[in-house]
Amino acid sequence: GAVVSQHPSRVICKSGTSVKIECRSLDFQATTMFWYRQFPKQSLMLMATSNEGSKATYEQGVEKDKFLINHASLTLSTLTVTSAHPEDSSFYICSARPSSGRAYNEQFFGPGTRLTVL
Amino acid sequence: TQLLEQSPQFLSIQEGENLTVYCNSSSVFSSLQWYRQEPGEGPVLLVTVVTGGEVKKLKRLTFQFGDARKDSSLHITAAQPGDTGLYLCAGAKTNAGKSTFGDGTTLTVKP
Repeated sequence: GAVVSQHPSRVICKSGTSVKIECRSLDFQATTMFWYRQFPKQSLMLMATSNEGSKATYEQGVEKDKFLINHASLTLSTLTVTSAHPEDSSFYICSARPSSGRAYNEQFFGPGTRLTVL
Repeated sequence: TQLLEQSPQFLSIQEGENLTVYCNSSSVFSSLQWYRQEPGEGPVLLVTVVTGGEVKKLKRLTFQFGDARKDSSLHITAAQPGDTGLYLCAGAKTNAGKSTFGDGTTLTVKP
């Protein structure tokens, strides 16, 4: 149980285009999902907290108009990188926190999406 | 300011050796998780500790939460090449809050 999927796993796009990444909790409902960015050999950097049915909460320094988050259902959150540039190239990882059945702040991570902007 | 500090940052050992990774903070956490991440994949949850002084064992891995719930350690006995990966600790101040991740410890176990 507690499986999270991400799609696509890899994407290469041209500068200026937009890319949408999907994060799905497959066998549980998640009121809250998180989006992280990770650079090589570094830890996870929280970008935003995605809340089902409401606006996402962005971390300081993360442009909300650049990284659009939509959490339309209890099993799906999407991150859209708008007008992508080479500096947006990174490993993006989502996580989902079960809405019930877990007493503590456990998160289950997706496998990540490698974005390369040319 | 890094809320959670992990040490060491890098660790390279021979198969069969023991090791300990530390996760320290000046803040009190309601819970703390340990994750292991392999290259190109997402982190996998290893354990959650919630009670001060708590010790949990997962095969050769022993996790301890400090009495004051400000720090934690991960001890691996007789490390194997399959233990190689990035180990991350993450603390949450409330059960509904976001987690803060440590910088991570990259472990390499050589056969």
